[in-house]
Amino acid sequence: NAGVTQTPKFRVLKTGQSMTLLCAQDMNHEYMYWYRQDPGMGLRLIHYSVGEGTTAKGEVPDGYNVSRLKKQNFLLGLESAAPSQTSVYFCASDEDPNSPLHFGNGTRLTVT
Amino acid sequence: SQKIEQNSEALNIQEGKTATLTCNYTNYSPAYLQWYRQDPGRGPVFLLLIRENEKEKRKERLKVTFDTTLKQSLFHITASQPADSATYLCALDGDDKIIFGKGTRLHILP
Repeated sequence: NAGVTQTPKFRVLKTGQSMTLLCAQDMNHEYMYWYRQDPGMGLRLIHYSVGEGTTAKGEVPDGYNVSRLKKQNFLLGLESAAPSQTSVYFCASDEDPNSPLHFGNGTRLTVT
Repeated sequence: SQKIEQNSEALNIQEGKTATLTCNYTNYSPAYLQWYRQDPGRGPVFLLLIRENEKEKRKERLKVTFDTTLKQSLFHITASQPADSATYLCALDGDDKIIFGKGTRLHILP
């Protein structure tokens, strides 16, 4: 049982480049989330989705876009990467907002 | 808006002793509090959830309390072991989404 899988695990980008992070879950969860984790800042919500075809902004959405075309996948895009987006990105899912979150193991992104 | 504070950035505990971690929130009482464990290079893993009408929850060597008067949750690990060394995150429902504390790094010293 894979749970939540994130690809890639590591990535280095130059300022201005674009990329997409992929999150896949095999638990049939409705809700999916993208967080970033920075030293001293904790986990901060970027965007989330309450079901296939829906997305909503979280606490720090600027510079990111997301799509949820299939229930099991949630994509996070950076159109023009900036050094401030250097971080560890975590995807998570749950059955409903009151249930525990299931996290992937993160993508470490460095923007130079 | 709701704020959550874990007031120890790091905690060193001798093996075999009880480790106690604190989580405080500032505004309204949440419907529940959750605790997660995070190891280096890994995502957080859910440990325990306690609801506002529960005073205490236990799971093996773990115990969580929820005091709505003090606006505080305590997380205890009894008979601590070096393998318990990790970062522990507190989370609660706030403003239609789960919000996390910054975590406490726990070191169990052999």
